[in-house]
Amino acid sequence: GAGVSQTPSNKVTEKGKYVELRCDPISGHTALYWYRQSLGQGPEFLIYFQGTGAADDSGLPNDRFFAVRPEGSVSTLKIQRTERGDSAVYLCASSPGGVGSYNEQFFGPGTRLTVL
Amino acid sequence: KNQVEQSPQSLIILEGKNCTLQCNYTVSPFSNLRWYKQDTGRGPVSLTIMTFSENTKSNGRYTATLDADTKQSSLHITASQLSDSASYICVVTPYNTDKLIFGTGTRLQVFP
Repeated sequence: GAGVSQTPSNKVTEKGKYVELRCDPISGHTALYWYRQSLGQGPEFLIYFQGTGAADDSGLPNDRFFAVRPEGSVSTLKIQRTERGDSAVYLCASSPGGVGSYNEQFFGPGTRLTVL
Repeated sequence: KNQVEQSPQSLIILEGKNCTLQCNYTVSPFSNLRWYKQDTGRGPVSLTIMTFSENTKSNGRYTATLDADTKQSSLHITASQLSDSASYICVVTPYNTDKLIFGTGTRLQVFP
């Protein structure tokens, strides 16, 4: 496909469970970003990758959140011991270039996570 | 305090009318300012990107302006269409990072 894809589109889980959210960026894009969007709010930065490495993970709220991008393409956001406050839409974006460049970020449709 | 604030929070206009959305930011220094359109249940889509040295950028019926001295930006929509109904989000990129800082958006509804 031409755009960023995310799976699943919806995820309902119970408090305390572990979840994984997947992002497939646009082919060839070296930078990948994760954001979290709560209802009625703008997205908040979580983490971004340049290639396989996390260039900035300062937005991850606590150590229950972790993200990987082992081969520099697909990324997985992992949330342990989910809490009701984790309920949000998790957005992924990718861009072709590096830090500080005039790069457009292309967003996926998001994964809506609901923690009961 | 949010580093990127937008007004109004919501706006209702009739089809065919023009409107202007406002964005005030405190992020400094910054690399660029973007406006995104986000339809309900979808990811944001870029409308315009302006570097700190640009004053205006157009994309069809959308025109964005930037005043880096007063740290203000606006998005003007001309001849609105029903499909313009969405949230419009102002986004600022701090200098030397790709970590976007989003405003909370303006929810626009266009009625026939």
